[in-house]
Amino acid sequence: EVQLVESGGGLVEPGGSLRLSCAASGFSFSDAWMSWVRQAPGKGLEWVGRIKTKSYGATTDYAAPVAGGFTILRDDSTNMLYLQMNSLKTEDTAVYYCSTVNWKGHVDYWGQGTLVTVSS
Amino acid sequence: NFMLTQPHSLSESPGKTVTISCTRSSGSIASNYVQWYQQRPGSSPTTMIYENNQRPSGVPDRFSGAIDSSSNSASLTISGLKTEDEADYYCQSYDGSKSVVFGGGTQLTVL
Repeated sequence: EVQLVESGGGLVEPGGSLRLSCAASGFSFSDAWMSWVRQAPGKGLEWVGRIKTKSYGATTDYAAPVAGGFTILRDDSTNMLYLQMNSLKTEDTAVYYCSTVNWKGHVDYWGQGTLVTVSS
Repeated sequence: NFMLTQPHSLSESPGKTVTISCTRSSGSIASNYVQWYQQRPGSSPTTMIYENNQRPSGVPDRFSGAIDSSSNSASLTISGLKTEDEADYYCQSYDGSKSVVFGGGTQLTVL
């Protein structure tokens, strides 16, 4: 069974940093493209970014609102995905979901999400 | 980048059929696969349709997906509506294989 378990969410002040983690199990993590999707309270889904597998150079792509401030990392030795978030703004407040995404663009598995609140 | 536009909300009665549209703003809807997700309050999204018209195992055949190049849109049709179908539905596609694009979501009420 595929499991994606996020952690690391919480309250952070504007301008601060936070690192989210996602523990993956039940599939071949090193062969999976991974992504982060967020959802602000009462709003729709917003793609954050994606990291490909090492065979594709572990290249990353980011949505415009987070490019330059967020970094996606992966550790295939521990089946962990990370989202490093710097210079956080109030508009980054959201539930952040870890997910798999295949090469056809299908976000096929989702975690339960972790809430990030950016507020003073 | 393109946008995917969905109606904000729809309502229909149990037993009826409803169709949710998803219109692509630029580029061809047929250029990239379209997926549809269902999200109930407090839960993560789940796939109802992938690759335009494919149903994952466990999704009832009351759910179907299609694309229409003439209107540059995709659609999710739910027939024989049940109260349990009440949820938010999102369409999603790819932008040049670099970025994932979500529609704004449609709140479906079954009453």
